[in-house]
Amino acid sequence: GQNIDQPTEMTATEGAIVQINCTYQTSGFNGLFWYQQHAGEAPTFLSYNVLDGLEEKGRFSSFLSRSKGYSYLLLKELQMKDSASYLCAVREMNYGQNFVFGPGTRLSVLP
Amino acid sequence: EPEVTQTPSHQVTQMGQEVILRCVPISNHLYFYWYRQILGQKVEFLVSFYNNEISEKSEIFDDQFSVERPDGSNFTLKIRSTKLEDSAMYFCASTPRDRGQTEAFFGQGTRLTVV
Repeated sequence: GQNIDQPTEMTATEGAIVQINCTYQTSGFNGLFWYQQHAGEAPTFLSYNVLDGLEEKGRFSSFLSRSKGYSYLLLKELQMKDSASYLCAVREMNYGQNFVFGPGTRLSVLP
Repeated sequence: EPEVTQTPSHQVTQMGQEVILRCVPISNHLYFYWYRQILGQKVEFLVSFYNNEISEKSEIFDDQFSVERPDGSNFTLKIRSTKLEDSAMYFCASTPRDRGQTEAFFGQGTRLTVV
């Protein structure tokens, strides 16, 4: 089965760094994805990890440890527009190549 | 840039009525999905579709739901007899392959309101 866990809410200050954690259990791991979702909008892709380690993409970085079933998304130099929900998703090889989403972390960036 | 398109953007229907939600996935993609998101809740998987057939479906996708790819471009989700609890945002997504960086590309969603 699949189980993905994330903190429900986080708050940070403009210009700061925030780390959003995700833990998962899966039967057929085929990649971990981070999405950003603004209220009322579709999820938009941020980053992808399939091997252990850190992937950097501008202000956003994502880390994966497959042995620990753990990932994090790191957001640097926070801006007000980064206020959104951040969704951790695992692609399941044994489940129709489906993307299973965590509950999402609602990030509020304060001035 | 290619994108997944969904119509309508918003649909209001009476309980018990049938609705069809339409999606045009990105043209060279092979895997298609329907997800739903009840207001304030997480994105939930409904069904995946590959090679013109359902490859997996969730417990939510019961007998009142069906999917079709009638003409090689459209991908539809039909709900036969809507219930109040079907009110949600429905997202269509597609991805080109099953390996490598193959993120799911999402449409803008159809907000379904059952009254």
